[in-house]
Amino acid sequence: EPEVTQTPSHQVTQMGQEVILRCVPISNHLYFYWYRQILGQKVEFLVSFYNNEISEKSEIFDDQFSVERPDGSNFTLKIRSTKLEDSAMYFCASSQRDSRSYEQYFGPGTRLTVT
Amino acid sequence: AQSVAQPEDQVNVAEGNPLTVKCTYSVSGNPYLFWYVQYPNRGLQFLLKYITGDNLVKGSYGFEAEFNKSQTSFHLKKPSALVSDSALYFCAVRDFDKAAGNKLTFGGGTRVLVKP
Repeated sequence: EPEVTQTPSHQVTQMGQEVILRCVPISNHLYFYWYRQILGQKVEFLVSFYNNEISEKSEIFDDQFSVERPDGSNFTLKIRSTKLEDSAMYFCASSQRDSRSYEQYFGPGTRLTVT
Repeated sequence: AQSVAQPEDQVNVAEGNPLTVKCTYSVSGNPYLFWYVQYPNRGLQFLLKYITGDNLVKGSYGFEAEFNKSQTSFHLKKPSALVSDSALYFCAVRDFDKAAGNKLTFGGGTRVLVKP
């Protein structure tokens, strides 16, 4: 069964450094998402992406965040200058359609630790 | 704004007994409702969804959920729990209204522990 994959599984970085989290969505999916979960808190939506542009973003997704699909398979989340409060589990997801009835498929997550 | 509540942080059940994980939701329009499960070191795995039609939906691994519009609930159930069902369960909602966007809004999660 096709799966969403994410690398690395764990990233440790120093405050102020840039990090890039990578995701490979399911191959025939067209819609891509990033969510995050701060330890002990809810899974929160960050951004959705379709046709090489952001279709929706949350208040969390400020100017220090960016997403891109540099080639036909990878989907990346960049945090330009990390802060301590960016420490969280970051989940990538993808779905076939934009319809609200279609489920999203999630990757295993990247645990980001900012020191 | 849409929201989801999972009132129990943890549910303990003996193997073979029925399992229920509670979820209530709030949306401005009609809801699309989803259940996901997370095993250790794995991503969120889709279990089942309610879109429209029959209020009782069946999903993977013998799970089912009942949509109750009057109580704004979507409780997850399994008639006979297995030790392997021990995991973290998330309820999620998406508003039917296009203006609400495509994002999923998650509950806080309920940890299920099934004891032998």
